[in-house]
Amino acid sequence: AQSVTQPDIHITVSEGASLELRCNYSYGATPYLFWYVQSPGQGLQLLLKYFSGDTLVQGIKGFEAEFKRSQSSFNLRKPSVHWSDAAEYFCASGGGADGLTFGKGTHLIIQP
Amino acid sequence: GAVVSQHPSWVICKSGTSVKIECRSLDFQATTMFWYRQFPKQSLMLMATSNEGSKATYEQGVEKDKFLINHASLTLSTLTVTSAHPEDSSFYICSARDGTSAAQYFGPGTRLTVT
Repeated sequence: AQSVTQPDIHITVSEGASLELRCNYSYGATPYLFWYVQSPGQGLQLLLKYFSGDTLVQGIKGFEAEFKRSQSSFNLRKPSVHWSDAAEYFCASGGGADGLTFGKGTHLIIQP
Repeated sequence: GAVVSQHPSWVICKSGTSVKIECRSLDFQATTMFWYRQFPKQSLMLMATSNEGSKATYEQGVEKDKFLINHASLTLSTLTVTSAHPEDSSFYICSARDGTSAAQYFGPGTRLTVT
């Protein structure tokens, strides 16, 4: 069965600093991988996805993620965070005809 | 971009009653829709997969007779919570799979409170 692990429950970053959110997956084949962001009381917005090809994926809002098969990781990065980036971030795997398996989420706090 | 709507956005119902939640894909056709449940400060858990014109597939532990899913068209799926109890109070989120890109797009969610 697929599983997704987000090791960090909370992350605090100063505004303007760089960000990296960790995600590890467990899946036999190459999975479809996603990063979503959820603001309080809201649904999920897709930041980026990886299906195949170039392992560095560019997304919306200045985010990128790198697929590393050797480490079973798909970490999300942003070079300079803004206060509006404060939210809950979910890594997920699966897709296609199947529903997604979500990690537990990482709560991002931005310090002024 | 692909837009998925849900209605209502929030609902309060009395214990024992039923409530229906609609999920619509507004600008694409979705042969597959998914229903998730999210408890406060927790992650999303897949409840069921809904395929247009066929019976839904439920995840282990989800009561199919309690959570009725209908996917009558390529743009609409409904979730009916029957005989609701306070423990059914949760945030219900649907997603629709874009057949072209295989990405899933999520609705804004429906907050259900059972009193």
